[in-house]
Amino acid sequence: GDSVTQMEGPVTLSEEAFLTINCTYTATGYPSLFWYVQYPGEGLQLLLKATKADDKGSNKGFEATYRKETTSFHLEKGSVQVSDSAVYFCALSEDNFNKFYFGSGTKLNVKP
Amino acid sequence: EAQVTQNPRYLITVTGKKLTVTCSQNMNHEYMSWYRQDPGLGLRQIYYSMNVEVTDKGDVPEGYKVSRKEKRNFPLILESPSPNQTSLYFCASSSTGGKNIQYFGAGTRLSVL
Repeated sequence: GDSVTQMEGPVTLSEEAFLTINCTYTATGYPSLFWYVQYPGEGLQLLLKATKADDKGSNKGFEATYRKETTSFHLEKGSVQVSDSAVYFCALSEDNFNKFYFGSGTKLNVKP
Repeated sequence: EAQVTQNPRYLITVTGKKLTVTCSQNMNHEYMSWYRQDPGLGLRQIYYSMNVEVTDKGDVPEGYKVSRKEKRNFPLILESPSPNQTSLYFCASSSTGGKNIQYFGAGTRLSVL
């Protein structure tokens, strides 16, 4: 079945450091891929998405490229801020967009 | 303001006592879904609904029921809660299936003793 695997956290970085959070997936079809962010005490918010191979999703300085050959969708940001501290979830949905599969989440701590 | 509202936010109950967690959205969305979040497991989908009277199982439906009698409401029902249903629950909604942005509620933390 479909699944998403994320790197274990927590990830601790200093402000302005480069961020990579790895995400790989297993899917039977051609899924769309998502990154969601969860701030403390809140629900999830969509950060970015990509719907086909080689698409790059981007938002708020975060980027991720849909790599079909490596079944990956790694999240990157060139310079993190303290306000980026949150839990990040990678997710996929197959063609019908009804069922969603989430990774286990990666907690990011950014220190001033 | 566009929002998904869950109630209650916190609930402590005992094994076997039926409970309902309500979810309401004000965006006229067709698609609604319930998830549970557990440490190390991320979010797992319980049930989803494509429209009124149309519901289907997600990945972990056992022990849960849902109904969609009105477009705005999608309650989650635990007929006989057990301790392994202790979790953080999220409701979400989206237009035209989950293809577009899913809006999440603030969560309901449930403890079953």
